[in-house]
Amino acid sequence: SAVISQKPSRDICQRGTSLTIQCQVDSQVTMMFWYRQQPGQSLTLIATANQGSEATYESGFVIDKFPISRPNLTFSTLTVSNMSPEDSSIYLCSVELGGGTEAFFGQGTRLTVV
Amino acid sequence: SQKIEQNSEALNIQEGKTATLTCNYTNYSPAYLQWYRQDPGRGPVFLLLIRENEKEKRKERLKVTFDTTLKQSLFHITASQPADSATYLCALARAGGSYIPTFGRGTSLIVHP
Repeated sequence: SAVISQKPSRDICQRGTSLTIQCQVDSQVTMMFWYRQQPGQSLTLIATANQGSEATYESGFVIDKFPISRPNLTFSTLTVSNMSPEDSSIYLCSVELGGGTEAFFGQGTRLTVV
Repeated sequence: SQKIEQNSEALNIQEGKTATLTCNYTNYSPAYLQWYRQDPGRGPVFLLLIRENEKEKRKERLKVTFDTTLKQSLFHITASQPADSATYLCALARAGGSYIPTFGRGTSLIVHP
């Protein structure tokens, strides 16, 4: 199994500012995933982060808005840049183990942009 | 792209009854299907996985079925308890390559004492 520590757990931010979310895993993993979950909606994948390479972004998400760092095999950050109220959501990091048969999630970051 | 449908309406049941949640999908057949539990303010927690060549999988009070003809999975909780109240998400993943599941929006289960 994997234990993922994500912080902050919640924040209220002013529009136009940026927030960096941190994700720490208790074991080394090749890929880390960042999701967004809007109220009443499913988890939407933002990007996949591999150590030592640029993150791979899903359609509708761009690096300028959601820059990701992956400096080592146990840590990643997601920045939500130039925030607007539409960015209010829960952001989750995730890793997969067991050959992709099980995903583990952080507790999420509840972001409110005012 | 894959479309996953889960009941958006909450399922309300009495304690002790069996809860049955549905997950329907379109387009490609997944290599496997997973069910997760999500409590308010928390990340999803993995519960069960069932592969495309399996019909049924059990774990304690949980049972999952997988019908690739109907493109449907059913998730059962027997002898339900108020502590089972949560949102249950299904997720589908393709075979091979990187594991990137596609999630449904989940169904809220409320078990009344």
